[in-house]
Amino acid sequence: DAGVTQSPTHLIKTRGQHVTLRCSPISGHKSVSWYQQVLGQGPQFIFQYYEKEERGRGNFPDRFSARQFPNYSSELNVNALLLGDSALYLCASSFRWEVFGETQYFGPGTRLLVL
Amino acid sequence: AQSVTQLDSHVSVSEGTPVLLRCNYSSSYSPSLFWYVQHPNKGLQLLLKYTSAATLVKGINGFEAEFKKSETSFHLTKPSAHMSDAAEYFCVVTVTGGGNKLTFGTGTQLKVEL
Repeated sequence: DAGVTQSPTHLIKTRGQHVTLRCSPISGHKSVSWYQQVLGQGPQFIFQYYEKEERGRGNFPDRFSARQFPNYSSELNVNALLLGDSALYLCASSFRWEVFGETQYFGPGTRLLVL
Repeated sequence: AQSVTQLDSHVSVSEGTPVLLRCNYSSSYSPSLFWYVQHPNKGLQLLLKYTSAATLVKGINGFEAEFKKSETSFHLTKPSAHMSDAAEYFCVVTVTGGGNKLTFGTGTQLKVEL
């Protein structure tokens, strides 16, 4: 079975531009979460979606937004890019939401470089 | 709020010797704890998880971890390191009611030398 897939794998943008990152969860998984991993740090939670509704949001500015589609895939959008947005963006999927200890499975990530 | 502290940013061992990666957690509620591994330019892979069942948890590739509530610790161990174990390791916590939001530690870089 295919794991979590993300596209594109790499992306280079300039300051002020907009970017859209895409994620397809494992088949049957209904929850998708997004994390930002800046070089040398642990991943930071951005969003969680379940059944197309936002269920959680981390401490990120409104320039960050996301949505989940009827097929449970998801997009992360970032507007007005800053140099500090350069990071590895990770998508994770799980079957359920709000279940204690539910395992989240991560994709390979999209590496975004903002110049 | 929950948090984890990984006590060592870098650990270096010789191949065939034991591995110990240390993690302390802080949580207002009963936590679920995970260890993930990240190889260079790869995503995160789950090694093992604790969810209030047995306190000694066995994972993949010979790794195990012990949940010690009295010490608020969840250290990761392996009896004998292999070159392929060289990677970044993250201790992670989540709590009931937290919507499965994962809170990561800052990571421990494991180096394995011949």
